[in-house]
Amino acid sequence: KAGVTQTPRYLIKTRGQQVTLSCSPISGHRSVSWYQQTPGQGLQFLFEYFSETQRNKGNFPGRFSGRQFSNSRSEMNVSTLELGDSALYLCASSPGEEVYEQYFGPGTRLTVT
Amino acid sequence: AQSVAQPEDQVNVAEGNPLTVKCTYSVSGNPYLFWYVQYPNRGLQFLLKYITGDNLVKGSYGFEAEFNKSQTSFHLKKPSALVSDSALYFCAVRGYGNNRLAFGKGNQVVVIP
Repeated sequence: KAGVTQTPRYLIKTRGQQVTLSCSPISGHRSVSWYQQTPGQGLQFLFEYFSETQRNKGNFPGRFSGRQFSNSRSEMNVSTLELGDSALYLCASSPGEEVYEQYFGPGTRLTVT
Repeated sequence: AQSVAQPEDQVNVAEGNPLTVKCTYSVSGNPYLFWYVQYPNRGLQFLLKYITGDNLVKGSYGFEAEFNKSQTSFHLKKPSALVSDSALYFCAVRGYGNNRLAFGKGNQVVVIP
């Protein structure tokens, strides 16, 4: 099976712009989680989706949003970008309703200038 | 709230020596514990998990971890380290019925030839 894919891999945006990141989970996986990774804060949980429903949300401002489609693909959107949003955004999928091991994509490296 | 502490930023070990990466956790109820590894410019790879059962869990690439409920610890071990084990290691925890994973800040492991 193909692994988790994330597009784009690299992105440079300007403060105030918005961005949409995409994640395609492993075929058959229905749970998708998003994480933000930075050197200072480590891995921080953003949201988790299962069957198009957001089940969990991390402590991020409302500028961060996401959704999941019927084919389990997921997108996350960040509006009004700030310099501090520069990070590696990781998507992970898992097969069932309970999340055990997660399979991570390579990430999208977002740089905000 | 659930949390993970990985007390050492970096672990240096000579090739062929035993490797230990420490992790302590805090969670309500029974913990689900995980170890992941991240190589440069890559997403995280699952190594092993503890859900229930035997306290000693064996995982990928010769790694194992020991769950200690009284000490709330889940240390990762490998009997003989390889140079290729040099990477960033993350411990993660979640509670029963909660699919939100909390990750530690990560430990950089450097295996010296």
